[in-house]
Amino acid sequence: DTEVTQTPKHLVMGMTNKKSLKCEQHMGHRAMYWYKQKAKKPPELMFVYSYEKLSINESVPSRFSPECPNSSLLNLHLHALQPEDSALYLCASSRPNTDTQYFGPGTRLTVL
Amino acid sequence: KQEVTQIPAALSVPEGENLVLNCSFTDSAIYNLQWFRQDPGKGLTSLLLIQSSQREQTSGRLNASLDKSSGRSTLYIAASQPGDSATYLCAVNTGNQFYFGTGTSLTVIP
Repeated sequence: DTEVTQTPKHLVMGMTNKKSLKCEQHMGHRAMYWYKQKAKKPPELMFVYSYEKLSINESVPSRFSPECPNSSLLNLHLHALQPEDSALYLCASSRPNTDTQYFGPGTRLTVL
Repeated sequence: KQEVTQIPAALSVPEGENLVLNCSFTDSAIYNLQWFRQDPGKGLTSLLLIQSSQREQTSGRLNASLDKSSGRSTLYIAASQPGDSATYLCAVNTGNQFYFGTGTSLTVIP
């Protein structure tokens, strides 16, 4: 099984809402990533979890809050987002450091 | 900070042609380099991974090379097909951190 799953596929939320994105993998990978991708741009790294600990936070605003409850799950909690946060949010996983990254299909987020 | 550039930004070729996509990076201290393909509005599909100690990798009609000292990688696609139409991204791994290139949008015309 080389699949990374993400839910929901699409999400529309208002600026005062609280929502969460979910990512799951069962490949035994101990590194998991959140990326943000705007239209016609490459993915931008947001967070990296290594062995369930946050190892990289690329100066992401606090309205994005990641969580890694176990080695298979990665969440991204959203609160008080802005319209400019609308993007495709991609999750990926890998064995730490040297291995292929596997990406999920993404969650298309629209903030009204 | 690592900067990754891809040339050309867009490419249109007739079906059956062989083509080369280029990726350059500024810092040669990398673990590996990965090539991805992305269809519109979709996630990324891994095509090839080249470790820093390797010079090239092949998968089917795809061949990727890496020259770490000069900060360059190329993706060669043989006998292109309309189904190859997509955006191709290279990503450099500096150790749990991946820097993506700007992408090449490929259109293969039947």
